[in-house]
Amino acid sequence: GQQVMQIPQYQHVQEGEDFTTYCNSSTTLSNIQWYKQRPGGHPVFLIQLVKSGEVKKQKRLTFQFGEAKKNSSLHITATQTTDVGTYFCAGPNTGTASKLTFGTGTRLQVTL
Amino acid sequence: DAGVIQSPRHEVTEMGQEVTLRCKPISGHDYLFWYRQTMMRGLELLIYFNNNVPIDDSGMPEDRFSAKMPNASFSTLKIQPSEPRDSAVYFCASILQGYGYTFGSGTRLTVV
Repeated sequence: GQQVMQIPQYQHVQEGEDFTTYCNSSTTLSNIQWYKQRPGGHPVFLIQLVKSGEVKKQKRLTFQFGEAKKNSSLHITATQTTDVGTYFCAGPNTGTASKLTFGTGTRLQVTL
Repeated sequence: DAGVIQSPRHEVTEMGQEVTLRCKPISGHDYLFWYRQTMMRGLELLIYFNNNVPIDDSGMPEDRFSAKMPNASFSTLKIQPSEPRDSAVYFCASILQGYGYTFGSGTRLTVV
């Protein structure tokens, strides 16, 4: 079945440092979504990318969808303690647009 | 908009007991999903509904799990009998097709 892997599993940075998580799908995706889950919380939708090579920004967060639509990345510039959490990418299953397969997640820890 | 509402927030039960988790999706959303999250397995899709009809229950671990959606505003996930390995956080999520998931706050289930 479809697999979505993320690296790294965990990253610990000092506040102010940059952070990047990478997402790779075993199949071509029609779109990619990103979610953030704070410790003890629930996943919260951040953004959806649809086009090959698409880049979107949300303040300090930059999201990119690969040209082949099989990979994606999330880059955070100058991390803050409020960025702490687990970041998941998710892609729709082949032929079932509304059913998502979630990536393994990257847990980000930010310290002062 | 109150979002997706799940109850209870926490449930502790003894092995062998029946457990019922409840979910109220966002009004107007036409898809509802039940996910289970554990450290070992991440976010796993158990079952999802479209317009109250179960579409894919291939993620339901075994016959001890069942889910219903009697109307557009209510769904239940039942485990009978419960086992310690069922301990996890169970999330309900709803969407309007084509948009990101909105997750509920989850039910943390502990089976002792």
